[in-house]
Amino acid sequence: GAGVSQSPSNKVTEKGKDVELRCDPISGHTALYWYRQSLGQGLEFLIYFQGNSAPDKSGLPSDRFSAERTGGSVSTLTIQRTQQEDSAVYLCASSARTGGNHGYTFGSGTRLTVV
Amino acid sequence: AQSVTQPDIHITVSEGASLELRCNYSYGATPYLFWYVQSPGQGLQLLLKYFSGDTLVQGIKGFEAEFKRSQSSFNLRKPSVHWSDAAEYFCAVGADGGTSYGKLTFGQGTILTVHP
Repeated sequence: GAGVSQSPSNKVTEKGKDVELRCDPISGHTALYWYRQSLGQGLEFLIYFQGNSAPDKSGLPSDRFSAERTGGSVSTLTIQRTQQEDSAVYLCASSARTGGNHGYTFGSGTRLTVV
Repeated sequence: AQSVTQPDIHITVSEGASLELRCNYSYGATPYLFWYVQSPGQGLQLLLKYFSGDTLVQGIKGFEAEFKRSQSSFNLRKPSVHWSDAAEYFCAVGADGGTSYGKLTFGQGTILTVHP
């Protein structure tokens, strides 16, 4: 696609429910990143995919968070047993190449509200 | 570990005035540096990046940034601000090598308000 697409754009869920957030990167981009943007916390790195593998998942805050990527394309971030502190905007980004010298293209994010 | 500090949480300028947003970084090697802008309800858009060469980098929307290794800074500037520049601005440093390859560390952001 022309840009990074994330769905849903907004999600309200009850505490304790599971949620799935989807990211569709730019076609051909091999690197995919998930970040979380919370009030007062700035942007936190969650996980990085190169193809379908995740060499760096050091930012996942707990074992309730998991992510997968299939076919080197779409990625899904799953949060199990959601808590109120999970409320944030979840941003996905993709890049044609890995390496710290390449900027990403970000999606518009999924705003998750846990009530 | 790398880190980024944006000392100014909120800056207000008048339309037409000049702008400088500060960014200081900490990184053990040659840094890859970025500035992103985020309008309300939108994702982050890349303004400019530096990874080698000329230390004065030109970006989109009339922005520029200067890398100063001696000061560990990468300040963003614009000579004349437009009302449409009101947004939140993020400085970021890129990691290279190892399992952190490609990961960006962001500053806390600076909110820019533009008065007419």
